[in-house]
Amino acid sequence: DAGVIQSPRHEVTEMGQEVTLRCKPISGHDYLFWYRQTMMRGLELLIYFNNNVPIDDSGMPEDRFSAKMPNASFSTLKIQPSEPRDSAVYFCASSSPGLGAVEQFFGPGTRLTVL
Amino acid sequence: GENVEQHPSTLSVQEGDSAVIKCTYSDSASNYFPWYKQELGKRPQLIIDIRSNVGEKKDQRIAVTLNKTAKHFSLHITETQPEDSAVYFCAASRGGDYKLSFGAGTTVTVRA
Repeated sequence: DAGVIQSPRHEVTEMGQEVTLRCKPISGHDYLFWYRQTMMRGLELLIYFNNNVPIDDSGMPEDRFSAKMPNASFSTLKIQPSEPRDSAVYFCASSSPGLGAVEQFFGPGTRLTVL
Repeated sequence: GENVEQHPSTLSVQEGDSAVIKCTYSDSASNYFPWYKQELGKRPQLIIDIRSNVGEKKDQRIAVTLNKTAKHFSLHITETQPEDSAVYFCAASRGGDYKLSFGAGTTVTVRA
């Protein structure tokens, strides 16, 4: 398996633009997590899904952020409109606790810069 | 929710010496405690984990200890090497929801 795949790896956009980050979890994993990493706030859990259903979105900072998981192999995190304070590295991770694999496997991350 | 505190925030050690990072957690229901290593510009990767029914676990030069009563756990790296230089994160999770609450991270620098 190629591991968790994220795209794009880098995104530079202007304030006010819509940004869509994409994630493909490891095949067979039924949990998917979106994190944001900044120097100031560290690693923050934004939202997570189980079997494509959002379970906890309490970490989503505000209504400008939304996430979807239309099927088991794809998830998106959208920011609209983007703001400079959204600049961060966004990680997607997946796991399969039901199979005994509680470990979360992280993707390579998307480095977002909002100008 | 769960609150994980991690100390120290930075740690500089001489190559060959040991490094110890400590974490405390607040939720007594937490039962899974992983440690992740993140090299500069890379993704976090699991290096070792421990469950609440175990007090200590070792894997070559790294070990983790857990004190459930005191709600703290520690990472020990022995015979440190330059490739151990990275940011280390502790985390805690309660059974059932599988989400991780991370500590703020410790930047470890191994001096040659």
